[in-house]
Parts: sequence; C-alpha cells; structure tokens
Amino acid sequence: DTEVTQTPKHLVMGMTNKKSLKCEQHMGHRAMYWYKQKAKKPPELMFVYSYEKLSINESVPSRFSPECPNSSLLNLHLHALQPEDSALYLCASSLAGGPVGNEQFFGPGTRLTVL
Amino acid sequence: GENVEQHPSTLSVQEGDSAVIKCTYSDSASNYFPWYKQELGKRPQLIIDIRSNVGEKKDQRIAVTLNKTAKHFSLHITETQPEDSAVYFCAASFNDYKLSFGAGTTVTVRA
Repeated sequence: DTEVTQTPKHLVMGMTNKKSLKCEQHMGHRAMYWYKQKAKKPPELMFVYSYEKLSINESVPSRFSPECPNSSLLNLHLHALQPEDSALYLCASSLAGGPVGNEQFFGPGTRLTVL
Repeated sequence: GENVEQHPSTLSVQEGDSAVIKCTYSDSASNYFPWYKQELGKRPQLIIDIRSNVGEKKDQRIAVTLNKTAKHFSLHITETQPEDSAVYFCAASFNDYKLSFGAGTTVTVRA
C-alpha cells in the first residue's frame, strides 16, 4: 500500500456537533501531519506527530484535537467548530523528519463544511 | 521563520510551449525544495524535489534548478500538455517537519 487514505471524503456538521476525521497509511512512515487548505491557497500546517508523539502544534484552536493511536493511524477530533473552519483537511505522512525523510505524501483530503 | 515567494500567480501557455515558475526563499539554512501539483479537487502530489547539494534535477518533461547563492529555485515544464493544467506549489524546508509553501501558481495549458 503506497497511499495515504482519509475518511470521510465529505463532512457537513453543525456548530454544536462532534465529529472525527480519520487518516491511515501503511508505508511505515513515522511522521504524520494534519493540514488545512482553503480554496486556491497552499496547505497550512496544523499538527505534526513523530513516532506517535505530538511534536508540532501550530497554535491551533482547542476545538481541533489530534490523536495518534498508533504509527499507522491519525485522527482529528472536531468540536464546536465555526463556519470559517470550513476547508479541505489534508493528512500527510513522511518517513521521518531530517535530511532523508522530508518527502511528504498527501491523502485525498476531507472536504468539511460547517453550517 | 522561512518565507517563500512564488511567481507568477497565474500562467497561461500554449500546448507544446514551456512553462517556468520561480520561487525565492529567505532562510539560507533551507536544504530541501519540493514541488507539488494539485489538480482541481485532488490532493497535492509531489512531482519533483531537490536538495541543496544539487543544482539541477530532471524527470522527463519536468526539471528543477536551484541557486543557493541567490536563494531561488525554479520549476521548468517542457512540451506542456493539457494535463499539466493545475495549481503548482513550491516549498522549502530545513531538516524538520515544516514545509513553508509558496502561494501557488495556476497553470493553464491552452489546446
């Protein structure tokens, strides 16, 4: 398996809902990432997990809560989101940080709409 | 932190012509420079990358050049085809997990 997969593909939620996004990879990568992308803009880094530990949080609001249950899975728990949080949420993975492991491979994304 | 500027923001070329996108970066310590292609509604796809110990890298119709002294790198697409139409993002990184992206270039190949 040489791809990063994400579920669901689309998600519509109200501001009071709780939902989760899921990301999975079976490439043996030990770094996993969450990005947020607005239309026609570059991806914005949200979180990085390295060896199942949170290593970077780009000052993301607490209504977004990441979780890395194991080296292949990454979740993003959503609660009390705002309409401006509507975006494409991308997961990515890489072998690891450092000079030989920077290649990041993206999943197809979850298109999130907050009503 | 690293700041990456990308030009042009839009580029329209006739099929068969070449396309060139340029990026400049601010942090001289950056040593990894990937290029991503994102078609409408699809994921960003890594198409080519270059490291600071190399000046040029080619893969079929795509090439990337790096000028460390001037702190800029460029993507060259030759013999453009309609399927090359997409948004292209450059990025720079220094030995960690953070990629600093350029703002993107929307490339349209006219048939």
